[in-house]
Amino acid sequence: DVQLVQSGAEVKKPGESLRISCKGSGYSFTTYWISWVRQMPGKGLEWMGRIAPSDSYTNYSPSFQGHVTISADNSISTAYLQWTSLKASDSAMYYCAGGVAVAGTVWFDPWGQGTLVTVSS
Amino acid sequence: SYELTQPPSVSVSPGQTASITCSGDKLGDKYASWYQQKPGQSPLLVIYQDYKRPSGIPERFSGSNSGNTATLTISGTQAMDEAEYYCQAWDSSTAVFGGGTKLTVL
Repeated sequence: DVQLVQSGAEVKKPGESLRISCKGSGYSFTTYWISWVRQMPGKGLEWMGRIAPSDSYTNYSPSFQGHVTISADNSISTAYLQWTSLKASDSAMYYCAGGVAVAGTVWFDPWGQGTLVTVSS
Repeated sequence: SYELTQPPSVSVSPGQTASITCSGDKLGDKYASWYQQKPGQSPLLVIYQDYKRPSGIPERFSGSNSGNTATLTISGTQAMDEAEYYCQAWDSSTAVFGGGTKLTVL
């Protein structure tokens, strides 16, 4: 069974750093792109960026470029989303989602269970 | 930047057909996917590559994409289909989601 399992909820202060994780199981980790998607409270889905674990190629949404870093450790089948200096506006649910590139497109399946990040002083 | 526009809400009676639209410039030239999200849950893929259903998704879910509009159709809508639905497409290596449509079954 293909699964993505994310790390637990985090409570941080503004200015702190944070790395959340997404561990794949039930498949060859390098097969799927891993994307990160933000959902602010009561709002819609926003794609942040993705990584190809096979070669660590990344690309980001212009809205998130420079604000977060996506990485992966193939040896433990885990992808990461990292901030160096959190802001209150980073408070949101963050999902990872797997996808295979086919015919120039990628659809998101499966999804992780989400990691709630709260940034408050 | 590329934008996908969905109606904020759609209402349907049980057993009837619900149609949710997603509009974007030349969307028909791209592949559209659709995701269902129920409160407190992760999104779930219900349609990919415009009309294909993943394993386990009921046949009452169907999709189409032409011109500037992709459409998710739910035939014989059930109470369990009440959820938020998001369309998604790729533009210039960037994934774009629509704003979401709240489907109410009443």
